[in-house]
Amino acid sequence: GQNIDQPTEMTATEGAIVQINCTYQTSGFNGLFWYQQHAGEAPTFLSYNVLDGLEEKGRFSSFLSRSKGYSYLLLKELQMKDSASYLCAALNQAGTALIFGKGTTLSVSS
Amino acid sequence: DAGITQSPRHKVTETGTPVTLRCHQTENHRYMYWYRQDPGHGLRLIHYSYGVKDTDKGEVSDGYSVSRSKTEDFLLTLESATSSQTSVYFCAIRGDRDYYGYTFGSGTRLTVV
Repeated sequence: GQNIDQPTEMTATEGAIVQINCTYQTSGFNGLFWYQQHAGEAPTFLSYNVLDGLEEKGRFSSFLSRSKGYSYLLLKELQMKDSASYLCAALNQAGTALIFGKGTTLSVSS
Repeated sequence: DAGITQSPRHKVTETGTPVTLRCHQTENHRYMYWYRQDPGHGLRLIHYSYGVKDTDKGEVSDGYSVSRSKTEDFLLTLESATSSQTSVYFCAIRGDRDYYGYTFGSGTRLTVV
C-alpha cells in the first residue's frame, strides 16, 4: 500500500520563502510529483522527481530523498497568486496511476 | 492546452438515480483516470483505463463503474447515486511514456440530494 503525508495548512507573507514537506511510504517507488490547485480549479503539474536531489524551476524547487521517503516543495519570493493547495503525489507500484496526499493549503498574505 | 473536457460541469441528482459523467480527450492518450475530491480526503482514484476496454479499479471504486469503448471517451457511471457520492469529479489523461503529462479536466461538481 501507499501512504502520503503533508501538512494540512500553512501561512506565509509576500516575498518570503516557504517549504512544504511530504513524506511517503510506498511498496514501490516510481517518482514523486507536486501539483498546484487553485480553489475551484483543476490541479496543474509543478514538478517531478525520480532521483535524489533538487530540481529547480524558476521560483519553485522540489527536493527528493528516496532513502528517507521525503520530499519538499520550496516556493521563493512568494506572491499572492501562490495562495493555493499543493498536492504531493506518488505513482502506484505498477507505475500506472498517481496516488495523492490530502494536500497543503497555503495562504499568502501581504 | 491538452484537449480534455468533462461533461456536465455541474449536476444535481436524486438519491437512487443513475448518473453518467463523461470525459472526452482529443490527445489520443492511452491512459485516462477518474478521481474524486472531497474536503479532508484530497484526490482519490476511482478507476482508470490503460486502453480501449482495459480498465482497473482504484482505491474508492465501490458504487462506480466505467467504460471505455473508444480512445477518446471514458465514462464514469454511478449505478444508484447516494449522498456519499456528492463530490467533485476530475478526469485526467496522460500519454504512454509521459509521466509528466497528467492533465486534468475542469471537473464535474455532482450533488446527490
